[in-house]
Amino acid sequence: DVKVTQSSRYLVKRTGEKVFLECVQDMDHENMFWYRQDPGLGLRLIYFSYDVKMKEKGDIPEGYSVSREKKERFSLILESASTNQTSMYLCASSFGQGYYGYTFGSGTRLTVV
Amino acid sequence: TQLLEQSPQFLSIQEGENLTVYCNSSSVFSSLQWYRQEPGEGPVLLVTVVTGGEVKKLKRLTFQFGDARKDSSLHITAAQPGDTGLYLCAGIKNTGNQFYFGTGTSLTVIP
Repeated sequence: DVKVTQSSRYLVKRTGEKVFLECVQDMDHENMFWYRQDPGLGLRLIYFSYDVKMKEKGDIPEGYSVSREKKERFSLILESASTNQTSMYLCASSFGQGYYGYTFGSGTRLTVV
Repeated sequence: TQLLEQSPQFLSIQEGENLTVYCNSSSVFSSLQWYRQEPGEGPVLLVTVVTGGEVKKLKRLTFQFGDARKDSSLHITAAQPGDTGLYLCAGIKNTGNQFYFGTGTSLTVIP
């Protein structure tokens, strides 16, 4: 069964901590994405990657960075966590031009205190 | 400003009723998709529509892509409690691999 795996379902971090969210896909997809989902705001794209070592900013990249050293792994980094980064984080991957849609992970609910 | 607007935002209905969810934009999309998300999980793809005017059926769910490829609708017949969830539309433009997501419709079906 193909899937996208996010390393943690729930995380609680302190303000100022550096936070790593890991995402691994086993479908050999070229494209990988990080979204955050907040009530009333929908899914907002943080960063995406079309290839290894390649990254592009999405709509809300401030305060985040990413790393894609291997095709199957896409990491989201919060350089210095803040309370306004408390959210549900969703990783997704897709193949080619995206006709077959995204496969999402189960999400990581991050709380920054 | 959201590229795709969904309506209604919230919907609570009795089991057995019919409902329609709308996804509207001023932009043209090369394809549009519908996802359902259950609490605590990531969205799961339901359908992809590509051709203007296209209609696809998935059991009790009927999806339609507008003729101008700017809008879509999801109709559920005889809703069941298992249909409860957040329904998201997502469109992709002719250029790029990025999907733009709608604001979502939260559906609750009461037994």
